[in-house]
Parts: sequence; C-alpha cells; structure tokens
Amino acid sequence: QVQLVESGGGVVQPGRSLRLSCAASGFTFSSYGMHWVRQAPGKGLEWVAVISYDGSNKYYADSVKGRFTISRDNSKNTLYLQMNSLRAEDTAVYYCAKDLVEMATIGMNYWGQGTLVTVSS
Amino acid sequence: DIQMTQSPSSLSASVGDRVTITCRASQSIASYLNWYQQTPGKAPKLLIYAASSLQSGVPSRFSGSGSGTDFTLTISSLQPEDFATYYCQQSYSTPFTFGPGTKVDIK
Repeated sequence: QVQLVESGGGVVQPGRSLRLSCAASGFTFSSYGMHWVRQAPGKGLEWVAVISYDGSNKYYADSVKGRFTISRDNSKNTLYLQMNSLRAEDTAVYYCAKDLVEMATIGMNYWGQGTLVTVSS
Repeated sequence: DIQMTQSPSSLSASVGDRVTITCRASQSIASYLNWYQQTPGKAPKLLIYAASSLQSGVPSRFSGSGSGTDFTLTISSLQPEDFATYYCQQSYSTPFTFGPGTKVDIK
C-alpha cells in the first residue's frame, strides 16, 4: 500500500533553516510528481511546491519562492523540502502528497500524516 | 495567479440532507478542478478530480460538476462521516491554489 512519511519538523528560530523529508513506499516513486502542501494552525490548505517525476521541473508558491527548494532522490524514494530564511508565517503542518496519475498533475491522491514546523524565537 | 473562492464558508446540515458547495476560479481552468475533504487532525482526502471524476473508493453520494470558472460539489445524502471541511483546488497552472474551504457541521 502507498505510504508517505514526513519527518524533519520541529521548532526553529526565525531566519534559520530546516529540511523536511518524505519517505515514499508502495508505488513507483520515480513515475509521479510530488507536492508539498502546508496548513497553518486553524487555517486552510496552502499549496507550496511541486516537482516533476524526474526532478526536471519545479514550481513554487510566491510566498516561498527564493527561500524554499523542493528536490527528490528517486534512488532513495524520498522527497525533500529545504526551507531557508524561515519566518513566523511559515509555521504550519507540512504535508507531502503524490500526484494521482503518472507524469501529470491532476489531483493529489495520497498524503502523508504531516510534520509540524514551528518558527519561533 | 489564479484565485479560488468558495461559498458558503460554512453551513449547518442534517444527516440525509443534500448539500451543495460552490467553487469559483478567477479565470478559466477548463476542468482542472479537484475537491478534497479534511477532518480535524487528518490529512486531506481526494474526493473528485478533473471536476467530475470520482476518486476510487469515494462513495457515490459525492459528485462534482462544472467547467471554466464555476464548479459544484454535491453530497446527495449527508452522512455522519461527511461532517468535515471541503476544499477545492485548481491544477490548471502553478501555483496550484486551494479555495479557502467550506466547513460542514451538524445542525
């Protein structure tokens, strides 16, 4: 069965960095685009970034562009989110999610359980 | 960027009610519209993709319609497990924006 397990969250001071990981299993990881979506406490969902199945294309929300970097290691079935220059408004639960179909973004049909990032001094 | 709006922002309904939630895009997104359900403390769940396609395993009481800028999610007969927050999301162009959500609670 498909499993996505995020890790790397925690408490970090403003301006510092953090790297999130998402370990994938149960499907051919190298065939699917992958996303990061976040949710601030008590708020709605915010799409953060997507990476194509082969890592050749990456797109970001305006709110994180230039500060966050999405990447993947298909040999390790792992997705990453490098978060630099963190701000209080980046505090959220971060979910990784898998595209529904191979090599295209239509919807996200599997999600991890989320990892909480708290940016606070 | 494409902006997504939803109405209503919340609604109260009873088990067995028919519920309709509307989503509007700020520009045409063809049929690149998805619906998700989220219950407290849980990850979102894909219900409908491509505006009207039912995701595998999702009960048939859920249906989606629309194209262009206006879309609808309908729950034909609300069940206790359907009390949740519903989000639309466009996958037409990046950034793949979500709507603000519609919370469905018990009347």
